Amino acid sequence: DAGVIQSPRHEVTEMGQEVTLRCKPISGHDYLFWYRQTMMRGLELLIYFNNNVPIDDSGMPEDRFSAKMPNASFSTLKIQPSEPRDSAVYFCASSLGTRNTGELFFGEGSRLTVL
Amino acid sequence: QQQVKQSPQSLIVQKGGISIINCAYENTAFDYFPWYQQFPGKGPALLIAIRPDVSEKKEGRFTISFNKSAKQFSLHIMDSQPGDSATYFCAAMSGGSNYKLTFGKGTLLTVNP
Repeated sequence: DAGVIQSPRHEVTEMGQEVTLRCKPISGHDYLFWYRQTMMRGLELLIYFNNNVPIDDSGMPEDRFSAKMPNASFSTLKIQPSEPRDSAVYFCASSLGTRNTGELFFGEGSRLTVL
Repeated sequence: QQQVKQSPQSLIVQKGGISIINCAYENTAFDYFPWYQQFPGKGPALLIAIRPDVSEKKEGRFTISFNKSAKQFSLHIMDSQPGDSATYFCAAMSGGSNYKLTFGKGTLLTVNP
């Protein structure tokens, strides 16, 4: 079975440009998470969805960031306009919705570099 | 506010040795404590997890020790192997309907052959 699929794997863009990261969760999973990983701050939860509905977006750094989940098999994280400090690896993860296991399945990440 | 503090930042161990990574938490509402393993260029993957009703959990060479009164938990890797070289993250999740998993900052483990 395919795991969580993220695209693009690498993105280099210039400051001010719009960036869209994409995620396909594992089929049947009802939770989807977006994390950001940097050396300084480690893994930070940006937002998570349950059954396509955003539940907690308190980790989204500012209005330049937005996330959508139009259906159970697709989510996007958009940064507009991008800034150099947004450079990081962005991970999408999905989970089958029981807290008893709590296992998150991560994609391989999208490495974003903003020049 | 860092809710889960992890140490050390990096660790070098000889093959066959014991690797020990420690984490401390502040929020007494946390009730689920997983460890994730991350190889370069990959996403983190669940390694082992524990709930506070037990003090220890072992899976193969990996053991979590949990001290509820001290609000600390640790990962022990016995007979460490070069293939264990990776970044390890402790994490914690609180009870209730909140599904937020808070991660420590990670420990880069290098096991020398």
